[in-house]
Order: sequence, then C-alpha cells, then structure tokens
Amino acid sequence: GNSVTQMEGPVTLSEEAFLTINCTYTATGYPSLFWYVQYPGEGLQLLLKATKADDKGSNKGFEATYRKETTSFHLEKGSVQVSDSAVYFCALSDRGGSNYKLTFGKGTLLTVNP
Amino acid sequence: DAGVIQSPRHEVTEMGQEVTLRCKPISGHNSLFWYRQTMMRGLELLIYFNNNVPIDDSGMPEDRFSAKMPNASFSTLKIQPSEPRDSAVYFCASSPPGQVSNQPQHFGDGTRLSIL
Repeated sequence: GNSVTQMEGPVTLSEEAFLTINCTYTATGYPSLFWYVQYPGEGLQLLLKATKADDKGSNKGFEATYRKETTSFHLEKGSVQVSDSAVYFCALSDRGGSNYKLTFGKGTLLTVNP
Repeated sequence: DAGVIQSPRHEVTEMGQEVTLRCKPISGHNSLFWYRQTMMRGLELLIYFNNNVPIDDSGMPEDRFSAKMPNASFSTLKIQPSEPRDSAVYFCASSPPGQVSNQPQHFGDGTRLSIL
C-alpha cells in the first residue's frame, strides 16, 4: 500500500536558518505529491504540490522537487521566519486509477526562534 | 471567499451522548472528506463523498459513526453513543471537480471533541 515517511520532529531553528524536512514515499502508480501546513488551532492548508516527476512546487519561499528516482519530496526554505512555526505534513495521492485517498505522513513540528 | 466551515469548533460532552459535527464545503466543490486527527494515529480519513454520494467509508471506526451529505452544501458526522476514545479533532475538507487525486483538499478549522 501507499505510505509516506517524513523526518521526525520536532525541528527547532533560529530565524533566517535553512530548513529541510525530508519526505520519502512508497506508492503504486504515479502519485501526486503535496506539502500541507497546519498552524496552531487551524486546519491544514496546501503549501505546494507537484504532479509529475521533476516538477518543482513552490510557495511562500518554500520549495520541493518531485524526485522519482529517490521517491522523495523534501521541503526546503532558504531563510525561515518565526511565522513559519507550524506542523508540516507531506502527502501523496495516486494519479489515475481509483485510489483517490491522500496518504499523510505523521507531520513534523517546526519551531523558529527569533 | 469563504472556506470550509465547520461547527461547532469545540464540543465537550459526556460518554454515551450523541454528537453531531457539521460541515459546509466550499461552493462549487463536489468532493467532501471527513478526517480524524489524534496524537497517536495522526490524520485518518474516515469517509469520502463525491457528488453527495458516499464513495468509501472503510475508515469509519465502527457502527457508532455515521455520515450523511443530504445536499452539495452540507454534511454531518454523527457519533452515537460517544465514547472517551472518540476524543480527537475532526476535520472536514472539500476539493473541486477534476481528477480527484490531483486536486488539493481545502480543510476547515476542525472540531475539537472531548468525551468525558
């Protein structure tokens, strides 16, 4: 079955530090890949997505590249801000076929200190 | 634009009581999802509707849980009778038409449910 593995948290960084949150996946077919962010007391929000190999999703300074050869979709940001403190979820959805479900990783808590 | 609206935001009730959670999806979206989030199990998909029809309820924990979508703008998730292990944050999400697996899901702010 499909699965998503992301790095265990929590991750604590200072403002302006470089961020990487690793995500690898196992899937049948050709999944679409997503990063969602959850701020305290809120629901998940789509941060970025990529629907095919070598696609790069980007938003708000965050980037992730769909790497089929390594089955990875690592999230990066060059300079984090205090406002980026949140829980980040990697997710996949099979493209084509009948598997519509989003499979989520367990989430990585990021805390950015001033 | 209004997002996915869930009510209530918080619910505290005693074991054995019926609990009803409500969701209004984004206008024009035709897929609706109910999730449960706990520390132990993370995010779990409970049930999925497409065009108001339940497509897969294999994630519903047991017969105490039921969900309905009487029209395109409203869905409910009921727990009867409720138990302390049902305590969690319940999220509703919707997505627009198109290939479902490619469409991003838009989440509500959730209902934090506590069963005493």
